[in-house]
Amino acid sequence: DIQMTQSPSSLSSSVGDRVTITCRASQNIGSYLNWYQQKPGKAPKLLIYAASILQSGVPSRFSGSGSGPDFILTISSLQLEDFATYHCQQSYSIPRTFGQGTKLEIK
Amino acid sequence: QVQLVQSGAEVKKPGASMKVSCQAFGYTFTGYYVHWVRQAPGQGLEWMGWINPNVGATNYAQKFHGRVTMTRDTSISTTYMELSRLTSDDTAVYYCARGLMVNNWPLFDYWGQGTLVIVSS
Repeated sequence: DIQMTQSPSSLSSSVGDRVTITCRASQNIGSYLNWYQQKPGKAPKLLIYAASILQSGVPSRFSGSGSGPDFILTISSLQLEDFATYHCQQSYSIPRTFGQGTKLEIK
Repeated sequence: QVQLVQSGAEVKKPGASMKVSCQAFGYTFTGYYVHWVRQAPGQGLEWMGWINPNVGATNYAQKFHGRVTMTRDTSISTTYMELSRLTSDDTAVYYCARGLMVNNWPLFDYWGQGTLVIVSS
């Protein structure tokens, strides 16, 4: 199975900050990487697929980059509604595997 | 609009079985795989497997082989995930999610609201 490792596990930031979250796969997965946002008590929501393609309706302050084993999710200017947990997920092979999540909190 | 509506919360005894349903609305049920993902309290997301509602084919994560069964009823656009021989480690929120391929990129675009299952004696 492909292991996905996110860093940091948690992050405190302020509204307006630029934030980056990294995700590393245990092997080369090309661009088969998705990012999801999850708010407390809610289901995950797709933000980005294929490492860098923004899902319809997702604000442009979100962006994704990277390929192979290393990926980055960037939020260019944090808004109040962005405080949530972010999960990366590889879609290269079965079983689909997720990172452990990064909890983004208000400083 | 597309919706996946799951059954309600359950409390189960260790050793028992659970069965969660996921009813699809707003799209052609047989046209998309349904995946099941769970999340233990305070933990990350864990993929359990998928079912192809068109033909009923399944693919389970090795971890759950022998304990999980995914089925579907096309007459009511519903998939089911049954997990047997429950232990406290199976306490989690269980999600169904629609699998989609966009230009050959696999993703989960719609999710159910989640079903909390608590395993406790």
